[in-house]
Amino acid sequence: LAKTTQPISMDSYEGQEVNITCSHNNIATNDYITWYQQFPSQGPRFIIQGYKTKVTNEVASLFIPADRKSSTLSLPRVSLSDTAVYYCLVGPPGGDKIIFGKGTRLHILP
Amino acid sequence: GAGVSQSPSNKVTEKGKDVELRCDPISGHTALYWYRQSLGQGLEFLIYFQGNSAPDKSGLPSDRFSAERTGGSVSTLTIQRTQQEDSAVYLCASSLKATNEKLFFGSGTQLSVL
Repeated sequence: LAKTTQPISMDSYEGQEVNITCSHNNIATNDYITWYQQFPSQGPRFIIQGYKTKVTNEVASLFIPADRKSSTLSLPRVSLSDTAVYYCLVGPPGGDKIIFGKGTRLHILP
Repeated sequence: GAGVSQSPSNKVTEKGKDVELRCDPISGHTALYWYRQSLGQGLEFLIYFQGNSAPDKSGLPSDRFSAERTGGSVSTLTIQRTQQEDSAVYLCASSLKATNEKLFFGSGTQLSVL
């Protein structure tokens, strides 16, 4: 499984765009990149998944450069309710078990 | 059901007692995972079931931990002779087919061992 590295924590302010970058230097050809969000006292929730270039949904955008050695989760105009832990995972469809790293603790300030 | 259901939501037990934690996955989901999360920490993989294949038990921390999945649906995680370090939130997740599919998590069971 490709190892991922992401910042331990980040602070931002309401209304700002937040970008969380994940490094995955040894990503394999058939690996996908998936992000989850976890609020306190809840299980993680799937946010977005992509393979290359850009993916956008109602929650976030995922930017993946051509070499796929990193990816950036972009949260537009964050609010206090976006305070959570964000996990970046890399792995193939139908592959091995899913391992979560420590994630990035995002704290949104008023 | 509409989502992954875990019971009980909270469990307080005494050191040395056995506990059983239950997970009802989303109907039709063939993959089921158990994770453990200590306060302020990330998710620790415990065990993974996929269809009728032998489960991946590589994350179980000791032989006091075991899990089964009956009929490809409900799963039970059993911890024997609980220790204080077993105190954590135990999370269950399911997905439609296999790994790296979208995982749906339950709300977890908060286990406190006194």
